[in-house]
Amino acid sequence: DADVTQTPRNRITKTGKRIMLECSQTKGHDRMYWYRQDPGLGLQLIYYSFDVKDINKGEISDGYSVSRQAQAKFSLSLESAIPNQTALYFCATSDPRPGTDDQPQHFGDGTRLSIL
Amino acid sequence: DAKTTQPPSMDCAEGRAANLPCNHSTISGNEYVYWYRQIHSQGPQYIIHGLKNNETNEMASLIITEDRKSSTLILPHATLRDTAVYYCIVRVAGDNFNKFYFGSGTKLNVKP
Repeated sequence: DADVTQTPRNRITKTGKRIMLECSQTKGHDRMYWYRQDPGLGLQLIYYSFDVKDINKGEISDGYSVSRQAQAKFSLSLESAIPNQTALYFCATSDPRPGTDDQPQHFGDGTRLSIL
Repeated sequence: DAKTTQPPSMDCAEGRAANLPCNHSTISGNEYVYWYRQIHSQGPQYIIHGLKNNETNEMASLIITEDRKSSTLILPHATLRDTAVYYCIVRVAGDNFNKFYFGSGTKLNVKP
């Protein structure tokens, strides 16, 4: 989905390094999410944000932090990367449809992160 | 807890309809059924969703049983580009936002 852009698309780094993954969106959505996907598995929620003043932990937030710099930008940081954080990372956005609590999520194309 | 059960893989001939089943026997009355697909190494792509009525859009149709315990995604004329992993997701109730649990999905292989 070109409306949700993730950078970089690929990154290889070493254990102990600080990494930042960036996500920007042009959909005008308030809600943004970070997921990771491990080979052969579904997606796991890391962090989510309802708006720039709201940050919430997901199921697997340990070892990660986030920053919501603006409505359109949500970055994910690994303060000290470790090999088991090697995965495919996805950013997503959503907003409730007017008059409902129904809101499909729209995903970026992901960042493939390898930690040696 | 994905709350859904899907077959791990299915084959379909190009040009034929692909019917992907999903069981969600513990679904609550206010939970939606969503379908996404993921083509290799790309982000999940939204396909369709529904609450209780059957739904159709330009990509697919969604048939939900009357008791809402199962559903079927129908791709009416599958093409090779429809080869992907298809995820059936029931939105978790009780949260004030929509947390999506992606299970293992169904790998659809569309063959010439």
